[in-house]
Amino acid sequence: DAKTTQPTSMDCAEGRAANLPCNHSTISGNEYVYWYRQIHSQGPQYIIHGLKNNETNEMASLIITEDRKSSTLILPHATLRDTAVYYCIVRGGYQKVTFGTGTKLQVIP
Amino acid sequence: ETGVTQTPRHLVMGMTNKKSLKCEQHLGHNAMYWYKQSAKKPLELMFVYSLEERVENNSVPSRFSPECPNSSHLFLHLHTLQPEDSALYLCASSQGTLYDPLDEQYFGPGTRLTVT
Repeated sequence: DAKTTQPTSMDCAEGRAANLPCNHSTISGNEYVYWYRQIHSQGPQYIIHGLKNNETNEMASLIITEDRKSSTLILPHATLRDTAVYYCIVRGGYQKVTFGTGTKLQVIP
Repeated sequence: ETGVTQTPRHLVMGMTNKKSLKCEQHLGHNAMYWYKQSAKKPLELMFVYSLEERVENNSVPSRFSPECPNSSHLFLHLHTLQPEDSALYLCASSQGTLYDPLDEQYFGPGTRLTVT
């Protein structure tokens, strides 16, 4: 799997957009970028994934740079319930999903 | 019931006990997974089953024994565990297999295991 680098922790004010960066400079052409989150002591939850185009769903937006070496997960209006650890993962075919240590996002009232 | 369920949610067992964790998925998926999450560590993949066949065993000690009787159920049988085995045990399922890059995993709530 391509290696990902994420900040250890971030704070975001409630109601503001949370922008979570991820670097994946060794990503190869057939690897997708996935985001999951894990709220304290619960199972991880799938958020979104993309290959090279920007993606949006009801939870978040994923912005992937043109060279695909980095991406940003955007939570448009963060709430207290978005406080969690966010994992950025890259994977292609015939590869396991490997979770790193992620970014701990703290949403502040 | 929908999604992925796990029972029990909490388990305390002695080192000489035998217990089992149960996972059930109601999503019609073909692959199921066991993960271990120790305090302040990343998730560790333990076992993978695809269409009821074990396709991955990540060097897990034999005191952990998985069983997949059908595509909806997955068990983790525990015996003679050690205190360092205390962790959150998570079950997940996915539509395809381990090797499908477009296949997101859906996780259960986990079983919090304490070995005394």
